[in-house]
Amino acid sequence: RKEVEQDPGPFNVPEGATVAFNCTYSNSASQSFFWYRQDCRKEPKLLMSVYSSGNEDGRFTAQLNRASQYISLLIRDSKLSDSATYLCAVNRGGNNRKLIWGLGTSLAVNP
Amino acid sequence: DGGITQSPKYLFRKEGQNVTLSCEQNLNHDAMYWYRQDPGQGLRLIYYSQIVNDFQKGDIAEGYSVSREKKESFPLTVTSAQKNPTAFYLCASSHRGQGGSQPQHFGDGTRLSIL
Repeated sequence: RKEVEQDPGPFNVPEGATVAFNCTYSNSASQSFFWYRQDCRKEPKLLMSVYSSGNEDGRFTAQLNRASQYISLLIRDSKLSDSATYLCAVNRGGNNRKLIWGLGTSLAVNP
Repeated sequence: DGGITQSPKYLFRKEGQNVTLSCEQNLNHDAMYWYRQDPGQGLRLIYYSQIVNDFQKGDIAEGYSVSREKKESFPLTVTSAQKNPTAFYLCASSHRGQGGSQPQHFGDGTRLSIL
């Protein structure tokens, strides 16, 4: 089993749709979780950290499910500009500061 | 504006040549990282540094070297021993934090190709 797994997609959704991605991780001791977006041929940009109680930033909601070892990202009212690859990153467990990266989920929002 | 600056944006390496990729940050971050990204593969850690004058190998350090003489700077040298250097190289930095990982912030990358 890979340490961090994501469905590569692509997810094709119309503008205004709600879409959700999951990211599963294998190390139950992982403590830090992040979602990034990466546009084609650009660097990853931090979208949001994921907190135990879940957190929201505008149209974006992140959740952590420790029992099933996954994090999720929900995007409401999708915009064309949301089209990108979404990467999850998880630390290697405990106080380890190194991150393990998923391969990303590709999202295309269509007019 | 605070940020991470990588240079050059594009770099070509000849056979047997060493090349150095620059990474400078003015975010006052203690930790810095070098990753490589290949098509169809996730970000893979080459080297990282938690503090000046100290650095550790990541998962794919062979054929690379780094130095951390200043807090702001973490240059990466791709040596001739790296037989497949063509990739997108990303530098990142973060606060050290008390435990676990802090969010990492990236420069805009260097694309390295072989001539």
